[in-house]
Amino acid sequence: GIQVEQSPPDLILQEGANSTLRCNFSDSVNNLQWFHQNPWGQLINLFYIPSGTKQNGRLSATTVATERYSLLYISSSQTTDSGVYFCAVEDNDMRFGAGTRLTVKP
Amino acid sequence: EPEVTQTPSHQVTQMGQEVILRCVPISNHLYFYWYRQILGQKVEFLVSFYNNEISEKSEIFDDQFSVERPDGSNFTLKIRSTKLEDSAMYFCASMRLVNSPLHFGNGTRLTVT
Repeated sequence: GIQVEQSPPDLILQEGANSTLRCNFSDSVNNLQWFHQNPWGQLINLFYIPSGTKQNGRLSATTVATERYSLLYISSSQTTDSGVYFCAVEDNDMRFGAGTRLTVKP
Repeated sequence: EPEVTQTPSHQVTQMGQEVILRCVPISNHLYFYWYRQILGQKVEFLVSFYNNEISEKSEIFDDQFSVERPDGSNFTLKIRSTKLEDSAMYFCASMRLVNSPLHFGNGTRLTVT
């Protein structure tokens, strides 16, 4: 099956800093999504982005399908951005990467 | 905004007992899923369901597990003869169309003692 690799595994930022999270996948996909799991365990859909670029407030995402990677940008990070960010791709079903654990310090 | 709802939020059961986890997907969604997340680990796919039948299932989803859509709204996961290693957060998710955003419920934390 398709392999999904996320980097970095852990990231610690000071409030206000910017960051880039990466998702590499091993085969072409028609469906790629980014999720945020907050400290309470809820999984929130951030982006449905099989290709191209989308922006939602301080967050944006870019998927380059031909090169099999996606990037999630977080600008002016806030403590509420803390949690785990997952990339998931469709391989008959949605398969998740191992996630990037982000900690934003005040 | 419509959301996926799961009940109960937390279930404690003894090893060997059967549990049923319940989910109400978003009403106009057609694709339904169960995922599992052992504490601190990645989100693992269990099963997908479409048109009243299982579409895909993972190697985790063995004979101990079953899913059902008993009516037009509920989607259940049954775990027979629970084991200690079944302790995890179980997430239900739904999707309107095959290539559209996946929406998760808040999960049921299952503790098997």
